[in-house]
Amino acid sequence: QKEVEQNSGPLSVPEGAIASLNCTYSDRVSQSFFWYRQYSGKSPELIMSIYSNGDKEDGRFTAQLNKASQYVSLLIRDSQPSDSATYLCAVNDNQGGKLIFGQGTELSVKP
Amino acid sequence: EPEVTQTPSHQVTQMGQEVILRCVPISNHLYFYWYRQILGQKVEFLVSFYNNEISEKSEIFDDQFSVERPDGSNFTLKIRSTKLEDSAMYFCASSERHWGTEAFFGQGTRLTVV
Repeated sequence: QKEVEQNSGPLSVPEGAIASLNCTYSDRVSQSFFWYRQYSGKSPELIMSIYSNGDKEDGRFTAQLNKASQYVSLLIRDSQPSDSATYLCAVNDNQGGKLIFGQGTELSVKP
Repeated sequence: EPEVTQTPSHQVTQMGQEVILRCVPISNHLYFYWYRQILGQKVEFLVSFYNNEISEKSEIFDDQFSVERPDGSNFTLKIRSTKLEDSAMYFCASSERHWGTEAFFGQGTRLTVV
């Protein structure tokens, strides 16, 4: 059973701080990794994709991938109250192409 | 910006009734998916669809479920005889390629079975 694991949180950070969200995955041959943001009652919204080891930056967001450790993370710099949401880590299943989701980490940014 | 659209946004149905959930994927995308999220739980894969046929389905996707691309734009999920446990958010998604590419989600249909 291929799995994606995240701490469910809640993770609480003050406004302006860096939020760090972590994810591990079980399938060693996975190649494609995604972070989605989900507001309560809404659909997953793609924030970042990462395919190679190392860091990938997009605005206030940085995704980090370490395939040897089977670990993906998302850093949110200068966190804003509007960043308060559940962040979903997803991994592409190499065989079938579907996304396998973690249970999500709830982030709360306090003003 | 292209987006995946789903209708209806909310559907209430009686147990045992048939429902059809509709989706219009992004126009140049070739791979289509349905996912489900029961309240408070993970997003779960149901089925993927490519070239007018199912390419993969999960254990959840039993004989009560079917998918169809009735025309060049719509992609539908049918549940033949709904059960209480089918109550969930249903998300349609689409992507350009099989894997190694981003998948974009519609806004979802909240299905409530009473």
